Amino acid sequence: SQTIHQWPATLVQPVGSPLSLECTVEGTSNPNLYWYRQAAGRGLQLLFYSVGIGQISSEVPQNLSASRPQDRQFILSSKKLLLSDSGFYLCAWSPGVSGNQPQHFGDGTRLSIL
Amino acid sequence: AQKITQTQPGMFVQEKEAVTLDCTYDTSDPSYGLFWYKQPSSGEMIFLIYQGSYDQQNATEGRYSLNFQKARKSANLVISASQLGDSAMYFCAMSPNRDDKIIFGKGTRLHILP
Repeated sequence: SQTIHQWPATLVQPVGSPLSLECTVEGTSNPNLYWYRQAAGRGLQLLFYSVGIGQISSEVPQNLSASRPQDRQFILSSKKLLLSDSGFYLCAWSPGVSGNQPQHFGDGTRLSIL
Repeated sequence: AQKITQTQPGMFVQEKEAVTLDCTYDTSDPSYGLFWYKQPSSGEMIFLIYQGSYDQQNATEGRYSLNFQKARKSANLVISASQLGDSAMYFCAMSPNRDDKIIFGKGTRLHILP
């Protein structure tokens, strides 16, 4: 069966520090991969998605970036964090076929910027 | 434009009663999928149920069923015999067939009372 791992679970970082959140999927190949951010008590905002290695689509202009160095690995990064980057970050995957596929989520990372 | 609307920000329901969470959607795509997710206080997003726009029957998964009314563009989630563990945030979502992205509503927070 497929599993998705996301880490760390919680992270406290000072303003201006770098960020690296990692997500890996097991038990499937060529998945679509997604990064979302959720502000407290709010809905999900799609940040990035990827349909293949090295293919990244950005949904929201910001100081975050994403990379997919391997088929089942998706990384969210920042060179300098802002206070507004605080939130709950979720990684998700879906089968690599077009449309109508549910996304399956990792357990999330709670990021607090001080 | 694609849009999901959940008009109930919060609901309180007595344990063992049935619950209906409302969802309406807007799309010009002829083919699409509809999803419901549950987010407990721990944060993970749990996929509950899927309905395809061309499916003739309403989807069911255990105590969950989706009341799909295509002409009204509504996709309400029905939870039968509610349990304390059903207390969570519930998100309705939609994906057009041509796209790998899912659009989420803002969610409904459900409280099950003992």
